[in-house]
This record gives sequence, C-alpha cells and structure tokens, in this order.
Amino acid sequence: DVVLTQTPPTLSATIGQSVSISCRSSQSLLHSNGNTYLNWLLQRPGQPPQLLIYLVSRLESGVPNRFSGSGSGTDFTLKISGVEAEDLGVYYCVQSTHAPYTFGAGTKLELK
Amino acid sequence: QVQLKESGPGLVQPSQTLSLTCTVSGFSLTSNSVHWVRQPPGKGLEWMGGIWGDGSTDYNSALKSRLSISRDTSKSQVFLKMNSLQTDDTAIYFCMAALDYWGQGVMVTVSS
Repeated sequence: DVVLTQTPPTLSATIGQSVSISCRSSQSLLHSNGNTYLNWLLQRPGQPPQLLIYLVSRLESGVPNRFSGSGSGTDFTLKISGVEAEDLGVYYCVQSTHAPYTFGAGTKLELK
Repeated sequence: QVQLKESGPGLVQPSQTLSLTCTVSGFSLTSNSVHWVRQPPGKGLEWMGGIWGDGSTDYNSALKSRLSISRDTSKSQVFLKMNSLQTDDTAIYFCMAALDYWGQGVMVTVSS
C-alpha cells in the first residue's frame, strides 16, 4: 500500500501568516491515464472532512484561492497564503491513484 | 443535491459483527463509487474500502479478511459489514463519494 508521510504534524500560525504542509508518497502517484490523484482535505472539529484541492492543484468549488497545491510524482505541498481563523483544523493529504486509497497522518493547524 | 447518511448501531459487543448502511441521494450508485472511512477518537482517517460503479470492490489490506462492502442500487444504499470487532474498532464511520461528499458519520463503540 502507498504510504503518505505528512509534515509537520502540528503547525502554529498567526492570522495572516503563510504556511505550507508537505506530503510525500512512498511511490509515484502518477496514474497510467496521466492524472495524479493527490488531494487535500480539511477537517474542522466535529465535522466530516471537506475537499479543498484535487488532482494536486485544482481548487474545489467554493474554496478560497488563498489555498494552493503543487507537486508531482512523490512530493506535494499545500500552501495557505494568509491564514484565516476559519482555516484552523486538521489537514490531510489523500491519494486515490492506487487502490487502496491512503491518507496522510494529518497536520493540525493551530493559532499561535 | 448529493447527500449521504450513515445509519447503524452505536454499540457493538466485542467479537460481534458491525453492520452499517449508507443511504445516498442525488447521484447514481451505478455511475459513482462510495467508500467507507473511519476515524478512531482523536486520531486520523483510515480508508476502509469502496464499491465502484460496476459493483467491484476494493478493501484496505489490513481489514480485508473481515470486511465486506455491498450495495442495493434499487434502494440507493451501500452496506458495510465487518466481523470480529474489537475495542480498537471504536470509531466514527463515514461514507463518502468522490472525496467531495461525506456523511456526518456514525459513532460506533465496541464494548461489552
């Protein structure tokens, strides 16, 4: 199974600060169809996860453009350009290139 | 409007079988996959398995021997059955589609 290693496990930020989360895969997430199915989710306390970014860098409808995703192959990054209070929660990368799907362990974004 | 809703018992005894139902609306099970994801209290997300539009299934390697996912397309329902439950199976169980649509989850406690 694909292992996704997410760092850091915890991130402390002030409002307005820009932060990045890394997600590294144990094998390439490039599918034979040419797509890379690396996605980012945010889970706020007491809520189910919500999709922020799919296919590495495509912003889900309604997600603010301060969120951006980048990367290829085995190395991926989620960037938040100017953290807002509503961004607090746990971020997960998840790959859907290979079955079984796998999640990273999560990065908790807290207020400093 | 796409919706998913989980239902099932909140309490299961050790060694017993868990049966959960995910009732969906707003999309067809024959054209879309539905997956089960669980989250132990205070921990991260674990993909359990999924059923694809053609009815085929994939499972988490660690759960494969005791997990079964099926569906009834006429009722727009997807079912999860997992046997030999232990206390570390205590978790919130979510069903989701396309990583974009999630149920609210159902808390299942394994305890005598």
